[in-house]
Amino acid sequence: EPEVTQTPSHQVTQMGQEVILRCVPISNHLYFYWYRQILGQKVEFLVSFYNNEISEKSEIFDDQFSVERPDGSNFTLKIRSTKLEDSAMYFCASRKDRELYSNQPQHFGDGTRLSIL
Amino acid sequence: LAKTTQPISMDSYEGQEVNITCSHNNIATNDYITWYQQFPSQGPRFIIQGYKTKVTNEVASLFIPADRKSSTLSLPRVSLSDTAVYYCLVGDLSNSNSGYALNFGKGTSLLVTP
Repeated sequence: EPEVTQTPSHQVTQMGQEVILRCVPISNHLYFYWYRQILGQKVEFLVSFYNNEISEKSEIFDDQFSVERPDGSNFTLKIRSTKLEDSAMYFCASRKDRELYSNQPQHFGDGTRLSIL
Repeated sequence: LAKTTQPISMDSYEGQEVNITCSHNNIATNDYITWYQQFPSQGPRFIIQGYKTKVTNEVASLFIPADRKSSTLSLPRVSLSDTAVYYCLVGDLSNSNSGYALNFGKGTSLLVTP
């Protein structure tokens, strides 16, 4: 079964440094998402992306964050200047295009654990 | 998105049937009910989705009464590997303006013991 893959599985970065988290969504999916989960807390939505632009973003997704689909397969999340509170699991998800009268689920990767020192 | 309420935790023995009920009193006409499962250090995994009545797949069943104000996820004969957090989500996934963002609550932490 096709999967969403994320790299790296664990990223350790000094505070203030830039970090790029990478995701390869399922190949025929057109909607892409980033979520994060701080240790012991709930999964929080960051941003959704469709047709090469952001379709929705949360309050968490401030100017420090950006997303990009640099080619036909990768979807990246960049944090420009990391803070201690950015430490979390970051999950990428993808979804098929909406079909008439169908609700397609989101498929998640297993995440990147980001540790800010 | 409709607010959901589900138990914080549940315990079960191996081999038993587990039913997790979710309340969603303000569910809207176009809303679907979706359940996800999450193991530690893994991403949420889609289990099942429904709109009304009963839906069954190889993993679980989802029971939705006529008023749709609640739903019950049923896991038949659980094993130790079913220990996970289970999330109930309600929303209009066909609303393209929403970007289809999922709003996770705290979920139900299910512990299965021998």
